[in-house]
Amino acid sequence: EAGVAQSPRYKIIEKRQSVAFWCNPISGHATLYWYQQILGQGPKLLIQFQNNGVVDDSQLPKDRFSAERLKGVDSTLKIQPAKLEDSAVYLCASSPPQGAGYGYTFGSGTRLTVV
Amino acid sequence: GENVEQHPSTLSVQEGDSAVIKCTYSDSASNYFPWYKQELGKRPQLIIDIRSNVGEKKDQRIAVTLNKTAKHFSLHITETQPEDSAVYFCAASRTYKYIFGTGTRLKVLA
Repeated sequence: EAGVAQSPRYKIIEKRQSVAFWCNPISGHATLYWYQQILGQGPKLLIQFQNNGVVDDSQLPKDRFSAERLKGVDSTLKIQPAKLEDSAVYLCASSPPQGAGYGYTFGSGTRLTVV
Repeated sequence: GENVEQHPSTLSVQEGDSAVIKCTYSDSASNYFPWYKQELGKRPQLIIDIRSNVGEKKDQRIAVTLNKTAKHFSLHITETQPEDSAVYFCAASRTYKYIFGTGTRLKVLA
């Protein structure tokens, strides 16, 4: 079974630039999550999709972050404009229709450095 | 809001000793509790999990205990080895959402 695919693996941008990350979940996984993991901290949920609808985006900084999941499969997360404090690893995860406890899987992440 | 507290933040043990990491959750409806190991630069990997209808689960040198009344759960690693050195995260889940703890950096000293 293929895992959760993310790209790019690394990205370096200057502050105030924009950046986009891509995630392809495991086939059949209805729920997709984007996490931000700042160095030395636990993953923080940014947004959760159920199919192509948003379930929870309470911790997404909506003035600069946006995410979409068209057709209920792939997802993109965008930051515009980026700030220095956005430097982090952005993890995508997905889980099957039965729930997170039945096959929750992380992607390898995108390491973003804002300079 | 929902949160998970994890202690200690760092833990150093001698090779062969045991390590214990503890987490406390706030959402009483949480019914699934996974533990993840994250090595530097890598994705979190599930190492063991427990559901709310079970009090204890063991897998070789790793065990997890759950006390639903007190809303806390613990990870126990016995006979620690240098390759156990990593950051460990607990999480509490209710169906589709995980709330992660802040992580414990475990160092196993040879």
